[in-house]
Amino acid sequence: SQQGEEDPQALSIQEGENATMNCSYKTSINNLQWYRQNSGRGLVHLILIRSNEREKHSGRLRVTLDTSKKSSSLLITASRAADTASYFCTAYNNNDMRFGAGTRLTVKP
Amino acid sequence: GAVVSQHPSWVICKSGTSVKIECRSLDFQATTMFWYRQFPKQSLMLMATSNEGSKATYEQGVEKDKFLINHASLTLSTLTVTSAHPEDSSFYICSASYSRGRGTEAFFGQGTRLTVV
Repeated sequence: SQQGEEDPQALSIQEGENATMNCSYKTSINNLQWYRQNSGRGLVHLILIRSNEREKHSGRLRVTLDTSKKSSSLLITASRAADTASYFCTAYNNNDMRFGAGTRLTVKP
Repeated sequence: GAVVSQHPSWVICKSGTSVKIECRSLDFQATTMFWYRQFPKQSLMLMATSNEGSKATYEQGVEKDKFLINHASLTLSTLTVTSAHPEDSSFYICSASYSRGRGTEAFFGQGTRLTVV
């Protein structure tokens, strides 16, 4: 399966610190996407990185992709309490797109 | 970005009744649609993948007679939970994918919270 697997499962930091989450997948991909989900709500698309890209930025977010290691990382800089949420990656390949367990990020004010 | 609309956003139904959830791609034609289910504090689990005009492919353990998926057009897929029971209460999310020059991308609906009483 094309499941993305995030680590760590839970991360607790102070406001202003950086948060790094990792994602690994198993086979070749078209692209990899990161999503955020606040408790009990829908998904918010954060960023998409294609298989031929190595790094993308969006505001305080930085995503890297290493296709040789089949892994990606999401860095949130200067975290805020509002960043508290669960973060998921999905590794997409044609007709297969699944989620890992996610990383639960808690940013303490 | 592309927009996927899911309706309703929440529904409460009585045990034994059926509920239909719609997933529409508003500004693109979706070649593939995915349906997910999420239990509280857990990740999203892929239930089925559907391509327009063909039968859905269900994941292991998902009852196809219980969760009916119809993908009649390139912009609409429906999930019908038949004879719903309280254990079917969950958060259901769809996503729609399409291919364009730079590759294939997928976008998610806002989800439907189903409560069966």
